[in-house]
Amino acid sequence: EPEVTQTPSHQVTQMGQEVILRCVPISNHLYFYWYRQILGQKVEFLVSFYNNEISEKSEIFDDQFSVERPDGSNFTLKIRSTKLEDSAMYFCASSELVGAQETQYFGPGTRLLVL
Amino acid sequence: DQQVKQNSPSLSVQEGRISILNCDYTNSMFDYFLWYKKYPAEGPTFLISISSIKDKNEDGRFTVFLNKSAKHLSLHIVPSQPGDSAVYFCAASAGNTGKLIFGQGTTLQVKP
Repeated sequence: EPEVTQTPSHQVTQMGQEVILRCVPISNHLYFYWYRQILGQKVEFLVSFYNNEISEKSEIFDDQFSVERPDGSNFTLKIRSTKLEDSAMYFCASSELVGAQETQYFGPGTRLLVL
Repeated sequence: DQQVKQNSPSLSVQEGRISILNCDYTNSMFDYFLWYKKYPAEGPTFLISISSIKDKNEDGRFTVFLNKSAKHLSLHIVPSQPGDSAVYFCAASAGNTGKLIFGQGTTLQVKP
């Protein structure tokens, strides 16, 4: 069964450093998403991406964040200058289409720890 | 953001019995609802969904009920199995946006 994959599974970084989280969405899916879950809190939407453009972003997704689809398979989330509060699980998701009736499938997540 | 709420942080049931997980929402624009299951250190796994035009959807041991007037949905698992022990998240979306709004999650423990 096709699945979303994410690398690395864990990332430890120093505050102020740049990190890139990688995702390979399901191959025939066209819509891609990033979510995060801070320990003990809800899963929160960060950004959605379609046709090489951001479709929607949350207020969390400020100028320190960017997303890119550098090739036909990868989808990346970059945090330019990490802060302590960026420590969280980051989940990538993809869906074939968007809107009602469309299910998003999630990857296993990357645990980011900012020291 | 309290648009989706799961008021029970945990639930414990005996194997073979019914598990009922509840979810309330406030945004009447939500038209698609999903339940995800999550094990520690893994991503959410899709379980079952329901469109706002329906009031029930069933898939094997899992049934989701939607009560639009009460802005309430529930997930029934019958019979419950120990492997069902996990955190269950309710999520909702509106219109053509892909943005999912999640509840806080309910930890289900199924005892053998």
